[in-house]
Amino acid sequence: DIVLTQSPALAVSLGQRATISCKTNQNVDYYGNSYMHWYQQKPGQQPKLLIYLASNLASGIPARFSGRGSGTDFTLTIDPVEADDTATYYCQQSRNLPTFGAGTKLELK
Amino acid sequence: EVQLVESGGGLVQPGRSMKLSCAASGFTFSDYYMAWVRQAPKKGLEWVASISYEGSSTYYGDSVKGRFTISRDNAKSTLYLQMNSLRSEDTATYYCARLDYYYVMDAWGQGASVTVSS
Repeated sequence: DIVLTQSPALAVSLGQRATISCKTNQNVDYYGNSYMHWYQQKPGQQPKLLIYLASNLASGIPARFSGRGSGTDFTLTIDPVEADDTATYYCQQSRNLPTFGAGTKLELK
Repeated sequence: EVQLVESGGGLVQPGRSMKLSCAASGFTFSDYYMAWVRQAPKKGLEWVASISYEGSSTYYGDSVKGRFTISRDNAKSTLYLQMNSLRSEDTATYYCARLDYYYVMDAWGQGASVTVSS
């Protein structure tokens, strides 16, 4: 299995930049695509797709969200952070059978 | 509008069985792979199983292999998860998810809660 490692929590101030990292123990690139995706989950809600294939914004997601990375190192950036962004963020790979990171809880300072 | 609605959850005793359903609407169901993902209380997301367009190929996570069966009825636009020999560690909210071409989970249901307890 491909293991994804995320920091458990991050605290940022309103209007500042939040950068969430995800590292994998195997390369998730394949034929020019990085099979890494990001989801947002708020308490009591289902996950919502934010970013797919490392850097593509999902439909309806504001441009404050962006993703980058390749190989084994990926980041999700929220800039500027708004109050509504408090949530847990998960990375997920689909290079092999799906696995998720443990999630990063974003809180406001 | 894409909609996925799970049903069939509840309280079940250890060792018993339960079947979840996921009714899909707003898209051509047979054009997509589908998946089940679960989330234990206060824990992260865990992929459970996936199924191909016509159901000819299925894939399972190690923790459920041999006990759970994923299936689909394209005529009814419905996804299923048959869960046998349930254990306390299967207690979770179970989400169905649509998989796009790159196996991205681009739509999710609201979840069905399963509690395994005597």
